[in-house]
Amino acid sequence: DTEVTQTPKHLVMGMTNKKSLKCEQHMGHRAMYWYKQKAKKPPELMFVYSYEKLSINESVPSRFSPECPNSSLLNLHLHALQPEDSALYLCASSRVLAASNTGELFFGEGSRLTVL
Amino acid sequence: SQELEQSPQSLIVQEGKNLTINCTSSKTLYGLYWYKQKYGEGLIFLMMLQKGGEEKSHEKITAKLDEKKQQSSLHITASQPSHAGIYLCGAALNFGNEKLTFGTGTRLTIIP
Repeated sequence: DTEVTQTPKHLVMGMTNKKSLKCEQHMGHRAMYWYKQKAKKPPELMFVYSYEKLSINESVPSRFSPECPNSSLLNLHLHALQPEDSALYLCASSRVLAASNTGELFFGEGSRLTVL
Repeated sequence: SQELEQSPQSLIVQEGKNLTINCTSSKTLYGLYWYKQKYGEGLIFLMMLQKGGEEKSHEKITAKLDEKKQQSSLHITASQPSHAGIYLCGAALNFGNEKLTFGTGTRLTIIP
């Protein structure tokens, strides 16, 4: 199994809603990532987890709250989002943490979020 | 300014023609990755280069990393419609840095 599965594929939410994005992998990878991608822009790193601990937070607003309940799952909790948060949210995993290692990042298909 | 610049931003190529996409950084690249993305979808890993002067090929795609490890090129031979998409280079810009920074992307269109 070499897949990273993200749900839901599409999400529409109001600014007062609370929702979550989910990501799952069964490759035994110990590093998991959340990226945000706006239209026609490259993905931008949001969070990195290593061995279920938060390793990097790229100064992401607190209305985005990541959670890594176990080595296979990564969640992104959303609350009080703004319309400008509408984007494609990509989850990725890698065998080990360092990008300069030989471990490639495996990406999910993404969750397209629209905030009304 | 972007730390990883790709050129061209977009490319329209007739099917069967060769093409090259470049990725340039002012910093040494520790691990250079090439990904392909279909519109609105996830990224598909193509190749990873680590050593200066390294070259790798897979099917009709060849990627190279220069000796200084500051520039990479992706070359597609005899392009096909299946090659269409957005090509992104990604790299760790500091040794041991787990943050993968992506380039600006190149949108490739293949016309019959």
